[in-house]
Amino acid sequence: AQRVTQPEKLLSVFKGAPVELKCNYSYSGSPELFWYVQYSRQRLQLLLRHISRESIKGFTADLNKGETSFHLKKPFAQEEDSAMYYCALSGRRGAQKLVFGQGTRLTINP
Amino acid sequence: DVKVTQSSRYLVKRTGEKVFLECVQDMDHENMFWYRQDPGLGLRLIYFSYDVKMKEKGDIPEGYSVSREKKERFSLILESASTNQTSMYLCASSLPGTLGRGTYNEQFFGPGTRLTVL
Repeated sequence: AQRVTQPEKLLSVFKGAPVELKCNYSYSGSPELFWYVQYSRQRLQLLLRHISRESIKGFTADLNKGETSFHLKKPFAQEEDSAMYYCALSGRRGAQKLVFGQGTRLTINP
Repeated sequence: DVKVTQSSRYLVKRTGEKVFLECVQDMDHENMFWYRQDPGLGLRLIYFSYDVKMKEKGDIPEGYSVSREKKERFSLILESASTNQTSMYLCASSLPGTLGRGTYNEQFFGPGTRLTVL
């Protein structure tokens, strides 16, 4: 079964501090992992995907198959990073269905 | 610029009513999805469609049905609304991928419909 777990419902850090949003997954094959973000009063949108190996808005995420994790990191948080973050998994290569985690609400304090 | 629109931002219905939620996308996407978004549960897939008149159940299809008569429109139907269907409903669309070749395509989401069933 495919499952995505985000252990933190809420995360609060100060501006300029490092941020790490945790994501663990359960899948027997080779998954594709993604982070989606929803800013206040905006639509849910793709932030980044592991296969691209890119940094978006200063965020990076590394797929660790040994630990079955895909944590989202940013070295210096900014107030505009406050949002709801969802980790998501696609279980079959090229399949379009996603399984989402429970979400983490990130608040950056000034 | 991809545009996914949903017919209502807020909807209040009574228990037992039949409810229609409409979603329209203007980018000629083959795939369309319906999710519900609940605090602490994240997004859960109700149904998706990969072509006109084609549909596939998601993780929580009970109490819902869908209709896709035209490529740009995907409707979610609550045959007899119940209070436990009070939720935020999100529609999304995407291009088709290529199974086995790793071409996942980004899902584009609508603004959501907050449905309250009294």
